[in-house]
Formats: sequence, structure tokens, C-alpha cells
Amino acid sequence: NAGVTQTPKFQVLKTGQSMTLQCAQDMNHNSMYWYRQDPGMGLRLIYYSASEGTTDKGEVPNGYNVSRLNKREFSLRLESAAPSQTSVYFCASSDSLQVTDTQYFGPGTRLTVL
Amino acid sequence: AQSVAQPEDQVNVAEGNPLTVKCTYSVSGNPYLFWYVQYPNRGLQFLLKYITGDNLVKGSYGFEAEFNKSQTSFHLKKPSALVSDSALYFCAVRDKGKRGSQGNLIFGKGTKLSVKP
Repeated sequence: NAGVTQTPKFQVLKTGQSMTLQCAQDMNHNSMYWYRQDPGMGLRLIYYSASEGTTDKGEVPNGYNVSRLNKREFSLRLESAAPSQTSVYFCASSDSLQVTDTQYFGPGTRLTVL
Repeated sequence: AQSVAQPEDQVNVAEGNPLTVKCTYSVSGNPYLFWYVQYPNRGLQFLLKYITGDNLVKGSYGFEAEFNKSQTSFHLKKPSALVSDSALYFCAVRDKGKRGSQGNLIFGKGTKLSVKP
């Protein structure tokens, strides 16, 4: 049982390049999330998916797109990377969006945009 | 809007001493509160949560947190700190969102705990 896995672990991009961050969970969770972590700002929600087939914007969605490929997988795409998107990206999952549910996090992807 | 504050950027404690990492919250309605820990170059690990019931919540690795409704606080505590507890700690509150019973996590900015031998 690997929990939440993310690929790649590290990535360096040039401004304007595109890439997709992959996330998968094996806990049979319905809800999945993408966060970014910046120094002194905690974690901020980019997008989330309440269940397979649905996605919604979080606090900071601009410059990103997501795809809930199936129940297990939730990808985050940067179409045209900008230096402001240099950050650590975390994927998380939970049984549902219920306020009592715990979110479980992946190990993160450290992205640098030059 | 729901929010959570961690007033200390860093907390320094000697090994063996008790530790407290502070968190205050602002919510409309019942609070649903969480603590996570992040070790260097790792993801966040769930420590404990308060949903309802007993104000003292026990969690992983010997940590506990005390919910205080009158002071709107949810401080993380441990009776005897270990050097291995050195990490970044995040308090979070669950936003009730549009449907009342559902919502997303709102995180504090984090507190760096440093435990010295």
C-alpha cells in the first residue's frame, strides 16, 4: 500500500515550457487535491476533484489545468510555465470532501522554472 | 471565511522539555481542526484532528492537542520533546464550503520546531 505517489520528484523547466505532474493513490479515495507550498505561505489549494469526473478551482488556479483520469489518478498541467510557478507541489487524497475526513499527502514535486 | 493562524514562525525547545506549538482559528459554526507535520524534503504527515467530543485529542508520535473553544485555540503539545521531532508543523481548519458539510483544508503558514540535544 503506497498511499499517494507523485512523479517526478524534481523538475527544472524554462519559461514557456509545459509539463504534467502525475499523482496516483491506492486508498480507493474519492476526492483528490493539488496544493502548492511556498516559503512562509503554507499550502494553498490549486484544484480539487470531489469525485471521479468532477474538478473545481481552489484558491490559486490561474496558470494550471487538471484532469481526473480515473478514480486513482489526478494530474496537474502547466501549459506555459512561469517563474512564479516555482514551488513545491503536493497531491493529496481523502475519502470524500466531508469536513471530518483526513487528507493524505504525497511526497511532493519540487519544480523550478527558470 | 475560515482562517487559521500560527503566531510563531519558530519554536526552540531543549530535548526532554515539554513543547507547545500554537494555533488559533476563526470559523463560522463548528470547527474541524487538523495538525500535520512535514519533515525535511518530505510530504505532510497527518498527526491528529479534532472533530467533536473530548477537548484533548491524542495523535501520532506522542503528540496531543488541546481544543479550547473560548480561546479559539488548538495548540499542539508533547510532554517530552525529542530531537527527531524537529520539523515544520502545520495547523489546518476544514472550510465548510458551499454545501456546509463539505469543504477544503485551509492551512496556517507553519511553525518550525527545533529541538536541541
